[in-house]
Amino acid sequence: GAVVSQHPSRVICKSGTSVKIECRSLDFQATTMFWYRQFPKQSLMLMATSNEGSKATYEQGVEKDKFLINHASLTLSTLTVTSAHPEDSSFYICSARVVGNIQYFGAGTRLSVL
Amino acid sequence: GIQVEQSPPDLILQEGANSTLRCNFSDSVNNLQWFHQNPWGQLINLFYIPSGTKQNGRLSATTVATERYSLLYISSSQTTDSGVYFCAVGPDYGQNFVFGPGTRLSVLP
Repeated sequence: GAVVSQHPSRVICKSGTSVKIECRSLDFQATTMFWYRQFPKQSLMLMATSNEGSKATYEQGVEKDKFLINHASLTLSTLTVTSAHPEDSSFYICSARVVGNIQYFGAGTRLSVL
Repeated sequence: GIQVEQSPPDLILQEGANSTLRCNFSDSVNNLQWFHQNPWGQLINLFYIPSGTKQNGRLSATTVATERYSLLYISSSQTTDSGVYFCAVGPDYGQNFVFGPGTRLSVLP
């Protein structure tokens, strides 16, 4: 299957700093990538849809100024958590959709904001 | 929007046992996937199965789209099968996934 690489796998940062998470499709081009957030023992919640060359589409309740998404190429989407606070601590997962509408997921990034 | 339910929420098995996980959805779908989330958080694709039946080793899945449910069968379970199993559905091609709440499986040695 398709491989999606997500980096870093773990981030610990101080409150007020910004954190960038990268999501790369390694062996295919992805015009559409997705960013999810998962709290402990809960399901995945879609945050935003990232489209190459255009602005991301955010789900209701997700602050676009807090979670900046850039999809500048067909193989890379980035999520920047700006001015992170402890309530932003979570598990963030990206995915990419391939032909046939199948989604493949990155390994996730565990963010801890102190 | 579409609602997704999974049952049971938790399942504890002895190694070697078989199990059936269920996913119910509230509307027609053109896209359904089953995933296994391992203890490190990685989501592993199991099946893309908007309809019909598929098998892969000890795992198989069946989706009856007209009755709005999908089943995941695990046979001869192993401790490495432990984790959370999610189904995710999309109401139409290209539309975004909605994840179910998951079934947390623990396989004991």
